Amino acid sequence: TQLLEQSPQFLSIQEGENLTVYCNSSSVFSSLQWYRQEPGEGPVLLVTVVTGGEVKKLKRLTFQFGDARKDSSLHITAAQPGDTGLYLCAPKVGGTSYGKLTFGQGTILTVHP
Amino acid sequence: DTEVTQTPKHLVMGMTNKKSLKCEQHMGHRAMYWYKQKAKKPPELMFVYSYEKLSINESVPSRFSPECPNSSLLNLHLHALQPEDSALYLCASSHSWPGTGSHNEQFFGPGTRLTVL
Repeated sequence: TQLLEQSPQFLSIQEGENLTVYCNSSSVFSSLQWYRQEPGEGPVLLVTVVTGGEVKKLKRLTFQFGDARKDSSLHITAAQPGDTGLYLCAPKVGGTSYGKLTFGQGTILTVHP
Repeated sequence: DTEVTQTPKHLVMGMTNKKSLKCEQHMGHRAMYWYKQKAKKPPELMFVYSYEKLSINESVPSRFSPECPNSSLLNLHLHALQPEDSALYLCASSHSWPGTGSHNEQFFGPGTRLTVL
């Protein structure tokens, strides 16, 4: 069983601040997805990172996949109240669990106006 | 159409009731999933269907019974549930299972908020 750690678990910030969410493991992943879930809705895929060292940008969101493909980060610049939600990292795992998405514990982000 | 729809949005049932949750997608996806999500926790996989056949059952109690009538529809039949089964039940779909050659990116529905009294 691979250990997946997502941090921080909770984040409460003011509008305009920057933040970073981390997803770490001791295992190597073939790819990793980031989802955002707004209250009352299902998770929505934000991005998939595949290549070690890859950086992808989605407006004010920057996603990075570690060189060794064991970790990833999500950085939000100038957060807005609309960014509020549960952020989930989900690596694609291998072995006997091949194909399953193993979600991190999630980061609950609240951005105050 | 890139949407997964779920009905009902909310459901309240007693422990002796029988009810069903429904999920539909028209993206041509051949893999469909049921997840259970407790408040402020990540979704937990329950079942995976691939080409309308059950591929994975994550040791889910038999009071939850999935059904995939066709490639677009997925049902979850509920019977004799317990209060601890109260949760958000999410349906998702992806192009294929286990997603060989792809990243198994999943599209989620809005969920059914289930309360068992």
